Amino acid sequence: GAVVSQHPSRVICKSGTSVKIECRSLDFQATTMFWYRQFPKQSLMLMATSNEGSKATYEQGVEKDKFLINHASLTLSTLTVTSAHPEDSSFYICSAREEREIEQFFGPGTRLTVL
Amino acid sequence: GQNIDQPTEMTATEGAIVQINCTYQTSGFNGLFWYQQHAGEAPTFLSYNVLDGLEEKGRFSSFLSRSKGYSYLLLKELQMKDSASYLCAVIRGDYKLSFGAGTTVTVRA
Repeated sequence: GAVVSQHPSRVICKSGTSVKIECRSLDFQATTMFWYRQFPKQSLMLMATSNEGSKATYEQGVEKDKFLINHASLTLSTLTVTSAHPEDSSFYICSAREEREIEQFFGPGTRLTVL
Repeated sequence: GQNIDQPTEMTATEGAIVQINCTYQTSGFNGLFWYQQHAGEAPTFLSYNVLDGLEEKGRFSSFLSRSKGYSYLLLKELQMKDSASYLCAVIRGDYKLSFGAGTTVTVRA
């Protein structure tokens, strides 16, 4: 149980385009989903927290107009990187948590490369 | 701010024991996780400590001292497949996870 999927696993795009990443909880209802970014040889940095049916809360320094997050259902959250640039190239990981639970379950990650 | 420190790299021999230390200063504390992460993959859960003491799970054990803001992960009978990055992460008072930078463990034959 407690499986989280992400799609796509890898994406290469041209500078200026937008990319959408999906995060799904497959066998539980995720009241809260988290989006992280990880640069090479660095740790995971929390970008934003989203609760189903409400606006995402962003960490300091993360542009909410650039990283659009939608958590429309209890099993799906999406992250859209708008007008992507090479510096946005990174490993994006989502995690999901059930209500009243401490543990977060991580998706397999999405490798974004912006040319 | 959040401060979670762990060594950058450790090397050990197959069959040996390695201890990875983690010290933390965070705004609130609701427990500490250890994760294993192989390159290009998501973190996988190893352990969770919220009370002081040692939790043992097979070859892996994790210790917590809340008064000292200190934890360690002990890996016993090291195998080549244990070569990975090990992440210390604290659940803060707002229930968000703060991660340390990770410790890269290299197991040599």
